[in-house]
Amino acid sequence: QSALTQPPSVSGSPGQSVTISCTGTTSDVGGYNRVSWYQQPPGTAPKLIISDVNNRPSGVPDRFSGSKSGNTASLTISGLQAEDEADYYCSLYTSTTVVFGGGTKLTVL
Amino acid sequence: QVQVVQSGAEVKKPGASVKVSCKASGYTFTIYAIQWVRQAPGQSLEWMGWINPDNGDTKYSQKFQGRVTITRDTSASTVYMELSSLRSEDTAVYYCARDRYGDLDYWGQGTLVTVSS
Repeated sequence: QSALTQPPSVSGSPGQSVTISCTGTTSDVGGYNRVSWYQQPPGTAPKLIISDVNNRPSGVPDRFSGSKSGNTASLTISGLQAEDEADYYCSLYTSTTVVFGGGTKLTVL
Repeated sequence: QVQVVQSGAEVKKPGASVKVSCKASGYTFTIYAIQWVRQAPGQSLEWMGWINPDNGDTKYSQKFQGRVTITRDTSASTVYMELSSLRSEDTAVYYCARDRYGDLDYWGQGTLVTVSS
């Protein structure tokens, strides 16, 4: 299964909103709702921030939200803060495999 | 509290094998699967495989089939990932993570494996 497609980088100023896309096909993103998002600040392990397309685990700020339309899932971060600067990865989980996106580097200007 | 702690960094020569451990605590070890994911320098995350600690069932990525073996020791609440026939391209940080029904919710700190002659 091919990696999911994400933009290499996005940027925004504090207080703004940014959206990161994660594009697959009808065989993966379009056919499953087990899309998750992970945040990875430099030098640290990934952290789960969105599960099942749009569910936030306990402790994750409501500035983070997820959605899906067709073959594309999206992560939106509103009210950008300096601490949001990190790499973000989408992933798709099925009963037989886990596929990750190529990752997106978020820069807070 | 849930913790996932991995073994320390390794340096291996090409052709050798490496075995990384992943000790879980703070929950019932056999309830949730453990996933292995690796990340080469400057690269994305790459799924390697998983194990069901309850019965030992495993599933591996096709890319690593034949080179990776994931096992567990339930008495020690520890999962092991062994990768054989190492080459320079296997230099990466290797992570284990608890798989709570599809959510990788607790990750180990990562283990750097360096393959160099």
